[in-house]
Amino acid sequence: KNEVEQSPQNLTAQEGEFITINCSYSVGISALHWLQQHPGGGIVSLFMLSSGKKKHGRLIATINIQEKHSSLHITASHPRDSAVYICAVKTGAGSYQLTFGKGTKLSVIP
Amino acid sequence: DADVTQTPRNRITKTGKRIMLECSQTKGHDRMYWYRQDPGLGLRLIYYSFDVKDINKGEISDGYSVSRQAQAKFSLSLESAIPNQTALYFCATSDSSFSGNTIYFGEGSWLTVV
Repeated sequence: KNEVEQSPQNLTAQEGEFITINCSYSVGISALHWLQQHPGGGIVSLFMLSSGKKKHGRLIATINIQEKHSSLHITASHPRDSAVYICAVKTGAGSYQLTFGKGTKLSVIP
Repeated sequence: DADVTQTPRNRITKTGKRIMLECSQTKGHDRMYWYRQDPGLGLRLIYYSFDVKDINKGEISDGYSVSRQAQAKFSLSLESAIPNQTALYFCATSDSSFSGNTIYFGEGSWLTVV
């Protein structure tokens, strides 16, 4: 069974800080998602990666397939970035089943 | 309009009652999913459907049933609700392209069984 581990579980940062959230998984994958869950509960897909690096605004996601590891970075963090960030991996190329991490709760303090 | 709409957003129901959560999507996607989220756990897949005639059990399907009424609609039923089905439920949709999928989630339905 594929396990997805995220660290840290909780993170508090001052506004403006550079933030890194990590995700490790145990078996081969075909893609990895980073998701953001708002305080109200809704979930938004931020990135889907199968290799390398993607950037969107202040968010950067990287993946190292050999090391089975991905990171989500937030530059110049802002209180509106406060949310739960969830890593999810897709293991089957022919199907679409995701295994989710438990999430990292980020709080950015003004 | 939201890409994925869930109703109801919040519901309190009694043990033994039947409850249906409805989901509709405007993305035109083939694939739809129901997940539940519990505190301290990752999202877990209840059922998924790759088209109207293809419905599959996920890892925690016991106590649940689904209906795919149309490409855009996928409903989840709890035939006889029990307290440990209290959770946040998400509907999601994705396309079937093997080149990569983005998954779209609804806003979630908070269900409390008392």
